[in-house]
Amino acid sequence: GAGVSQSPSNKVTEKGKDVELRCDPISGHTALYWYRQSLGQGLEFLIYFQGNSAPDKSGLPSDRFSAERTGGSVSTLTIQRTQQEDSAVYLCASSLEGQQPQHFGDGTRLSIL
Amino acid sequence: GESVGLHLPTLSVQEGDNSIINCAYSNSASDYFIWYKQESGKGPQFIIDIRSNMDKRQGQRVTVLLNKTVKHLSLQIAATQPGDSAVYFCAENIYTRQLTFGSGTQLTVLP
Repeated sequence: GAGVSQSPSNKVTEKGKDVELRCDPISGHTALYWYRQSLGQGLEFLIYFQGNSAPDKSGLPSDRFSAERTGGSVSTLTIQRTQQEDSAVYLCASSLEGQQPQHFGDGTRLSIL
Repeated sequence: GESVGLHLPTLSVQEGDNSIINCAYSNSASDYFIWYKQESGKGPQFIIDIRSNMDKRQGQRVTVLLNKTVKHLSLQIAATQPGDSAVYFCAENIYTRQLTFGSGTQLTVLP
């Protein structure tokens, strides 16, 4: 499709397990963002990739969170040793280099049991 | 830290009436503002944006007003329709990097 694609749409896992969330940005968009949205809340910035520059990781809440972007396109957000407070919707957005607006995917709803 | 906030968490309007959703921001250095609409189970959908060198911008049935003096942003929806029911977020941006979001306003359109 033409939009940002995220997978899986839902993920349920046990506390302590690792999870990987995937984001396929809009073709040609060099900027990619990850946000987290807790129930009934606004979006919280996690990490930002722009072209070949070093990512801005200033929003990652702990060292259990990491993300990579391969080939300047697909990105994976990894959460290690998941905790119940990690339960949230993880949203990915992309945009043209140095431009707005950001276009969002529908997110991955992560539930930690 | 500085953040974007919303005046009202919920707003109910009659179908056909105009809606006004307000937002306050605190970072005077922000140069870009944006409104998103989020329906249940979906990601935020871009509605309209405005740069800090403008006071007003109009789209289809929507208008965004920016008052930099009092750091206030509003979204006006004309002739509100049932399909407009959703959560609306404002967000601010500096130098085209990450967006800082407010907590959202739930708009309910009454028949």
